[in-house]
Amino acid sequence: DAEITQSPRHKITETGRQVTLACHQTWNHNNMFWYRQDLGHGLRLIHYSYGVQDTNKGEVSDGYSVSRSNTEDLPLTLESAASSQTSVYFCASSLGATGELFFGEGSRLTVL
Amino acid sequence: AQSVTQLDSQVPVFEEAPVELRCNYSSSVSVYLFWYVQYPNQGLQLLLKYLSGSTLVKGINGFEAEFNKSQTSFHLRKPSVHISDTAEYFCAVRSTGGGNKLTFGTGTQLKVEL
Repeated sequence: DAEITQSPRHKITETGRQVTLACHQTWNHNNMFWYRQDLGHGLRLIHYSYGVQDTNKGEVSDGYSVSRSNTEDLPLTLESAASSQTSVYFCASSLGATGELFFGEGSRLTVL
Repeated sequence: AQSVTQLDSQVPVFEEAPVELRCNYSSSVSVYLFWYVQYPNQGLQLLLKYLSGSTLVKGINGFEAEFNKSQTSFHLRKPSVHISDTAEYFCAVRSTGGGNKLTFGTGTQLKVEL
């Protein structure tokens, strides 16, 4: 079955370190998204991509970057982790105009 | 730009009772509307969606929602809830005119009690 997987599922890191969260989907979806989930804020969009070599900033993109070198993967990088980036991160993908998103199971990141 | 308001952060309800989770949206253009459910320690799953046509939309697990354009609402309802419906529910919106990014509300925690 097609799926979307995130790794690692849990990570603890220190302030200032670079962190990369992986996202891999096997649906061949063009659209991929990264959201962060925080209590009281719901899900907020960090970055998104509509295809290979295409990346766009979402509403909370500061301190994050993404790259899209193939259809299947959209890694999220925190260049210099900050305590404010402690959160649960969700990757999602979608195929086309209906906008239905399929979500991974999340990556819980703690920045000490 | 679009925005979504879920006024109720928590909704407690007894098993077999009906429930309504409220969602209001704001947009200057036509929209698609979605409800997602998140069970503990899992990602989000689509419950139902409104794209066009009938304003009453039926989804999985006995849930339904009604799109009301004049009131800019998309409330989620279930006539009789079960313990297994305990989860967080998110309303989401996107414009119909291109782009696939969804804007989510802050979520409503539904707690079903015996």
